[in-house]
Amino acid sequence: GDSVTQMEGPVTLSEEAFLTINCTYTATGYPSLFWYVQYPGEGLQLLLKATKADDKGSNKGFEATYRKETTSFHLEKGSVQVSDSAVYFCALTPNSGYSTLTFGKGTMLLVSP
Amino acid sequence: DTAVSQTPKYLVTQMGNDKSIKCEQNLGHDTMYWYKQDSKKFLKIMFSYNNKELIINETVPNRFSPKSPDKAHLNLHINSLELGDSAVYFCASSQMGTGAPEQYFGPGTRLTVT
Repeated sequence: GDSVTQMEGPVTLSEEAFLTINCTYTATGYPSLFWYVQYPGEGLQLLLKATKADDKGSNKGFEATYRKETTSFHLEKGSVQVSDSAVYFCALTPNSGYSTLTFGKGTMLLVSP
Repeated sequence: DTAVSQTPKYLVTQMGNDKSIKCEQNLGHDTMYWYKQDSKKFLKIMFSYNNKELIINETVPNRFSPKSPDKAHLNLHINSLELGDSAVYFCASSQMGTGAPEQYFGPGTRLTVT
């Protein structure tokens, strides 16, 4: 079945540092890929998505590029802020049929001033 | 104006009890979901309904019974609660169509079974 693998956390960074959270996937066909963010005590919010190979999703300074050849969708941000502290989930859904999300295990990001 | 709402936000109950969690969406979506998030933050799909019809039923004990009275509501009833049911339960909704529709999540219901 489909699966998503994320790097283990927590990731601890100082403000303005560069962020990379790795995500790789296994899926049949060509899924759509997502990054969701969960702030403390809240539900999940879509951060960005990409629906086909070489697409780049971007939002709030975060970016991720759909790499079919390496089955990856790594999340990056050039300069993190304390307010970016949250749990980040990589997820996929097939592009046909019913679109339930398969999530990675989540990566906690802690940004200190 | 909340898009996906859940009640209650917190639920503390004893083993063996029966409880329900309610979910409502005002986005006009035709598909709704229940996800379970365990203590390690791992999220897993439990159920999905499309136009009030059950379309996804993962390996979930039959003590869990979803009910969709209409497209805007998907409730989750849990019988004979067990300690292992303690988790955060998220409701979500989306609109079926071409491509990969975005799912909108509710704020979650933290269930604690003692």
